[in-house]
Amino acid sequence: DAMVIQNPRYQVTQFGKPVTLSCSQTLNHNVMYWYQQKSSQAPKLLFHYYDKDFNNEADTPDNFQSRRPNTSFCFLDIRSPGLGDAAMYLCATSRVGGSPLHFGNGTRLTVT
Amino acid sequence: TQLLEQSPQFLSIQEGENLTVYCNSSSVFSSLQWYRQEPGEGPVLLVTVVTGGEVKKLKRLTFQFGDARKDSSLHITAAQPGDTGLYLCAGWVSGSARQLTFGSGTQLTVLP
Repeated sequence: DAMVIQNPRYQVTQFGKPVTLSCSQTLNHNVMYWYQQKSSQAPKLLFHYYDKDFNNEADTPDNFQSRRPNTSFCFLDIRSPGLGDAAMYLCATSRVGGSPLHFGNGTRLTVT
Repeated sequence: TQLLEQSPQFLSIQEGENLTVYCNSSSVFSSLQWYRQEPGEGPVLLVTVVTGGEVKKLKRLTFQFGDARKDSSLHITAAQPGDTGLYLCAGWVSGSARQLTFGSGTQLTVLP
């Protein structure tokens, strides 16, 4: 059974049209992460939540926002997607900092 | 500067050959993980190594953590086409549990 679920698997949006990606987890993990991954590269951390404590990476564009309304759900909002934002977006969880990550299967975002 | 240097970046071999992937750093890691990612999927944890000098085996995969906990290697014996994927090392820097640092990845292709 999938423990970290991302929806949708594929998302197509237009240049500048806001889009929201969602992630849910059944692991009851404290930490949730959003990563951006471009072709055959390592995932790049955008931000993470430790419980309700939001941590933004210094080089994450302002265009990217996140919400975590409860333990199980986390959202990634891209306010005005550009062509350079086309990528795979991965959600991950860990029980605490320092624990292994459990990844979802990602959302492949295409910007037209 | 990449905190975790992974090599080689790309590797294409014939079925039945052996290979080694390296992950090196000047930083000390409290633990280091190896993930495998198949196309269109999220990374999946293969192993976590914690103790300097530790060796772990997972069928045909052998993982080693350096004595100083600054480097690690993954050795695959008699590679099979099913081993094809992106291999990522990732570590928690000693004294920090805030961000998992990823290596740059090794794209392995095993040809039948």
